[in-house]
Amino acid sequence: EVQLVESGGGLVQPGGSLRLSCAASGFTFSSYWMHWVRQVPEKGLVWVSRINNDGNDTTYADSVKGRFTISRDNAKNTLYLQMNSLRDEDTAVYYCTRARGSGSYYTYWGLGTLVTVSS
Amino acid sequence: DIQMTQSPSSLSASVGDRVTITCRASQSISTYFNWYQLRPGKAPKLLIYAASTLQSGVPSRFAGSGSGTDFTLTISNLQPEDFATYYCQQSYSVPPTFGQGTKLEIK
Repeated sequence: EVQLVESGGGLVQPGGSLRLSCAASGFTFSSYWMHWVRQVPEKGLVWVSRINNDGNDTTYADSVKGRFTISRDNAKNTLYLQMNSLRDEDTAVYYCTRARGSGSYYTYWGLGTLVTVSS
Repeated sequence: DIQMTQSPSSLSASVGDRVTITCRASQSISTYFNWYQLRPGKAPKLLIYAASTLQSGVPSRFAGSGSGTDFTLTISNLQPEDFATYYCQQSYSVPPTFGQGTKLEIK
């Protein structure tokens, strides 16, 4: 059974940092592109970033470019999102998703982890 | 970025009803289009991909149609577990973008 379990969310002050993790199981992690998608209160789903199966090709939403870094450890079956210089508008539930191909659609999602940016 | 406009933003219906949700893309996206269901406390769920292909395990009361810029999700014979929020998404170009969601509530 495919499982994606996010962790690392919490309350952080504006300008602070957090690292999210997503532990994957039930499939060959190293074979899939992975994405982060966030659910912003009252605004719905917003794509954040993606990474290819080898970890050497990454893409970011303009709103997080230069502040967030996506990475993966295929030996540990884990996806990461390093978030720096956090802003109020980064407050959201962050989901880890497994993509079909590079991103045709998201077949599996985790339960999400809540990030709250507030002073 | 491609804008996805979903309507209605909320909808009230009864068990057994049939409902339709629509989504319009700001430019043609062929059938690079998907529907997801979000329920509180559950992982989001892929319902329909490539505009009309039912994801494995999804009940046949869900149906998707459309191509180009206009798409619909139809849910027939609504069941209690169908009361949720639904999102459309385009995968034609990066960044992938979602509609603003349709909250389906029990009447």
